[in-house]
Amino acid sequence: DQQVKQNSPSLSVQEGRISILNCDYTNSMFDYFLWYKKYPAEGPTFLISISSIKDKNEDGRFTVFLNKSAKHLSLHIVPSQPGDSAVYFCAAKDNAGNNRKLIWGLGTSLAVNP
Amino acid sequence: DAMVIQNPRYQVTQFGKPVTLSCSQTLNHNVMYWYQQKSSQAPKLLFHYYDKDFNNEADTPDNFQSRRPNTSFCFLDIRSPGLGDAAMYLCATSRGSNEQFFGPGTRLTVL
Repeated sequence: DQQVKQNSPSLSVQEGRISILNCDYTNSMFDYFLWYKKYPAEGPTFLISISSIKDKNEDGRFTVFLNKSAKHLSLHIVPSQPGDSAVYFCAAKDNAGNNRKLIWGLGTSLAVNP
Repeated sequence: DAMVIQNPRYQVTQFGKPVTLSCSQTLNHNVMYWYQQKSSQAPKLLFHYYDKDFNNEADTPDNFQSRRPNTSFCFLDIRSPGLGDAAMYLCATSRGSNEQFFGPGTRLTVL
């Protein structure tokens, strides 16, 4: 059973526009959420995170929004650049058990077109 | 630069022939993880070390073993690789329960 869901396998946006990547989760015990970016043939790179006590975290062009009541988070990239083309994974931490284990979504492949 | 290093980047082995993948880190993180990732799938945690304490995932096959001789190094041993073990193997580190930092991965091919 997929506890972290990224329902869009792929997304295509124009350079300079906003990219919005969505993530839903089912486990109300999750208290920390992370976004990782992965290029082909490389390991995931940590991008940004958010604690469940916040509803927004911003780092440069990247902003993550968390809606706890809806169990939904989103990653906004503004403005999008061709170098942002990668697979983006949403991950959540299960604080009820082993709080070092990340629960991963299946990823969304973002293509930013020049 | 502090980093997570994996060697080799590409490994080819024969069906049933033991293989060892290595990971080293200069971050001085106390937790090291091994993940398996297959195409179009999320990384799957195999096990991790919290300091010297080994934590195995319940669904990790016995074919996969790990060693952590010191803080900086961690090894993944696949005792008898099968065709289904062909994948990208990712090593990651963290300081406690903080963000995990990944190495570039080792692509394993089983012939």
